[in-house]
Amino acid sequence: GESVGLHLPTLSVQEGDNSIINCAYSNSASDYFIWYKQESGKGPQFIIDIRSNMDKRQGQRVTVLLNKTVKHLSLQIAATQPGDSAVYFCASGGANDYKLSFGAGTTVTVRA
Amino acid sequence: GAVVSQHPSRVICKSGTSVKIECRSLDFQATTMFWYRQFPKQSLMLMATSNEGSKATYEQGVEKDKFLINHASLTLSTLTVTSAHPEDSSFYICSASRQGIGYGYTFGSGTRLTVV
Repeated sequence: GESVGLHLPTLSVQEGDNSIINCAYSNSASDYFIWYKQESGKGPQFIIDIRSNMDKRQGQRVTVLLNKTVKHLSLQIAATQPGDSAVYFCASGGANDYKLSFGAGTTVTVRA
Repeated sequence: GAVVSQHPSRVICKSGTSVKIECRSLDFQATTMFWYRQFPKQSLMLMATSNEGSKATYEQGVEKDKFLINHASLTLSTLTVTSAHPEDSSFYICSASRQGIGYGYTFGSGTRLTVV
């Protein structure tokens, strides 16, 4: 089966600084990757996605980087705000089905 | 935008009873819906894939007779936890995929089930 995991379970960041959240995956057939944000007691909220034919994609204050060689992806959040405090999950999907495998999650805490 | 409504948001039930959770796509048709379970401080674990008009596909280790899934229309899937026990207490989340867009998932807001 597919395995997606995160490098660090928690991240504390000063408000205004940039955050980097890392994720490793094991299935080289994975071709689609998504970052989600989950606040306490709520469902995951889509942040940004990237396909395997890309190595970088930017959104509003967020950037996802994909390194297929080492099966690693990261989420960068610029100018982190208190509202960014949440658990962040990476998820990946394979080429032949639409099921997602979720990583363990990184809890981001923003210090004022 | 795509909206998925999940109901109820919280439910407390007695051990041995059954609980039904609804997942509705409000503004799009969802050929496929997914049901996840999430324990505290853990990740989402896929339980089953629900396809409109056909039987659900369950992940390994998930009891299909305990977690009944019905996807009777393109906008509604239900998960029934039968003969619930305290160990079934968890956060259940559904997601829906837009018809024709494979990875266009939208998640519901989740249901906190507590079995006492």
